[in-house]
Amino acid sequence: DQQVKQNSPSLSVQEGRISILNCDYTNSMFDYFLWYKKYPAEGPTFLISISSIKDKNEDGRFTVFLNKSAKHLSLHIVPSQPGDSAVYFCAARGGADGLTFGKGTHLIIQP
Amino acid sequence: DGGITQSPKYLFRKEGQNVTLSCEQNLNHDAMYWYRQDPGQGLRLIYYSQIVNDFQKGDIAEGYSVSREKKESFPLTVTSAQKNPTAFYLCASSIVGGWRGLNQPQHFGDGTRLSIL
Repeated sequence: DQQVKQNSPSLSVQEGRISILNCDYTNSMFDYFLWYKKYPAEGPTFLISISSIKDKNEDGRFTVFLNKSAKHLSLHIVPSQPGDSAVYFCAARGGADGLTFGKGTHLIIQP
Repeated sequence: DGGITQSPKYLFRKEGQNVTLSCEQNLNHDAMYWYRQDPGQGLRLIYYSQIVNDFQKGDIAEGYSVSREKKESFPLTVTSAQKNPTAFYLCASSIVGGWRGLNQPQHFGDGTRLSIL
């Protein structure tokens, strides 16, 4: 049973517009959430995180929003740039072990 | 430059053979992790280690073994008992592990792609 779900396998956005990537989770014990960006044949790169005590965290063009009641988080990228084209993984942590990852969303930025 | 180094980048295994994937970090991180990624799937946790000489099974540990004799190194052995070893293997580390490290991001190496001959 998937505890972290990214329901959009891919997303296409025009350069300069806002990209919104969504993630849902089912485990109420999760209290720390992260977004990673991954290029082919490379390891994921940490982008931004949010603790469950917050509802928003911003870092430059990247903002993560957390809605605990809905068990939903989203990553906003604005403005979108060609270099943002990659697979984005949502991950969550609620215990003393590793992260639980979603299946990823392939973001394609069109010129 | 500090980072996580995984080697080799590509590895081939014959039937019935054990192979070992290397992971070294010079970040002085206490915790290290091994994940497996299959096509179209998220990363799944194989093993993790919060401190030297200690490691714990993750969600899919069967057919794998690890050791943590040094802080910098966390090698993963894919044994012949792992019937479907073809995958992309990722090693990660974080400053601390366990409950103290709950709000610490994990940093990843560039992975090893394992294939069966």
